[in-house]
Amino acid sequence: SQQGEEDPQALSIQEGENATMNCSYKTSINNLQWYRQNSGRGLVHLILIRSNEREKHSGRLRVTLDTSKKSSSLLITASRAADTASYFCATASGTYKYIFGTGTRLKVLA
Amino acid sequence: DAGITQSPRHKVTETGTPVTLRCHQTENHRYMYWYRQDPGHGLRLIHYSYGVKDTDKGEVSDGYSVSRSKTEDFLLTLESATSSQTSVYFCAISEVGEETQYFGPGTRLLVL
Repeated sequence: SQQGEEDPQALSIQEGENATMNCSYKTSINNLQWYRQNSGRGLVHLILIRSNEREKHSGRLRVTLDTSKKSSSLLITASRAADTASYFCATASGTYKYIFGTGTRLKVLA
Repeated sequence: DAGITQSPRHKVTETGTPVTLRCHQTENHRYMYWYRQDPGHGLRLIHYSYGVKDTDKGEVSDGYSVSRSKTEDFLLTLESATSSQTSVYFCAISEVGEETQYFGPGTRLLVL
């Protein structure tokens, strides 16, 4: 079964709005990562948050991690049409072995 | 795509035939992975390698084998392809001390 489950499965917003997607997982983790996948392409790493961190920022991205609830959220502020993609969380509980969630499809309307 | 190529990029094959997919990296990273991506399932780990000739099974390894005789190449073989193996296959790499994975462009496989 999947370690990570993203919510919502799909999200459609207007350009300039913020987009929030969530990831829940089942077991203890060392870190949690978020990746983006543009249609027909491979995944691209966005940001990593370690199990002892609660929040992390990178540009327009903000990630939070709540290990007590086994959940994480990714916030993209001031969305652009170019942010249209699928977003996946990935968890690592062992060494260099990752489990990916099912993804959130984000569509940003111009 | 971080010095990772996959070949072929597209393949159509028939049920029961063997298929080999190749992942080649120029980054000299130690770890290499094969995933499959299917609608509703996200990415699922098939096999991974933590060094030359060192491999281990992932979540969905049945029907697949792998080999890594050189640092730069990781081969995925479908011993006898089935329609359930129709999927998009991604190779990824990562390095010791880094937790980021870098992905190849993917191979679309259709098994008829």
